Amino acid sequence: GQNIDQPTEMTATEGAIVQINCTYQTSGFNGLFWYQQHAGEAPTFLSYNVLDGLEEKGRFSSFLSRSKGYSYLLLKELQMKDSASYLCAVRTLIVMDSNYQLIWGAGTKLIIKP
Amino acid sequence: DTGVSQDPRHKITKRGQNVTFRCDPISEHNRLYWYRQTLGQGPEFLTYFQNEAQLEKSRLLSDRFSAERPKGSFSTLEIQRTEQGDSAMYLCASSPQSGLTQYFGPGTRLTVL
Repeated sequence: GQNIDQPTEMTATEGAIVQINCTYQTSGFNGLFWYQQHAGEAPTFLSYNVLDGLEEKGRFSSFLSRSKGYSYLLLKELQMKDSASYLCAVRTLIVMDSNYQLIWGAGTKLIIKP
Repeated sequence: DTGVSQDPRHKITKRGQNVTFRCDPISEHNRLYWYRQTLGQGPEFLTYFQNEAQLEKSRLLSDRFSAERPKGSFSTLEIQRTEQGDSAMYLCASSPQSGLTQYFGPGTRLTVL
């Protein structure tokens, strides 16, 4: 089967650093996405990794290890506005249909405290 | 900058009624996706179009759900004989053919009483 695991909830302090982990077991891996979703709003794209290593984009970085089926999202200099859910999604091949599909984790709710 | 738009933003209906939602993708995007999301869960894939062709439909989707994209631009999602379990946020996303990133609309929140 296909499975994506993320912690349900994390708490961090304003100005600090937090790492949100994602582990996956999927077939036909073709990239991993991180999205941010504020309560009651639609997900917005943060990052995409298809090769092993670290991708840095401002205060946010994302890491991928394909051999370990593992990714993390690193948020630095946390701000109150970073309080949101962070969704990990893996692009996989649906063999029967020969199409790609995004499989989503349930998301990690990040709470930032002053 | 016109992103993905969805209409209505909120819909309250009684069990057994039919509802229809509309999605207008980013104009140059030819791929369009429908998802359903419940509280505390990630988006659940429903169906996917490339231009006007519906290329994939979730096996979890009952036959009460139907989607169309007649001219390869906007899309509609209809739910017939709604049930309380259909209450969720219905998200639409689009992407260009050569792109991987999906851009989401604001969603339609459906409440079935």
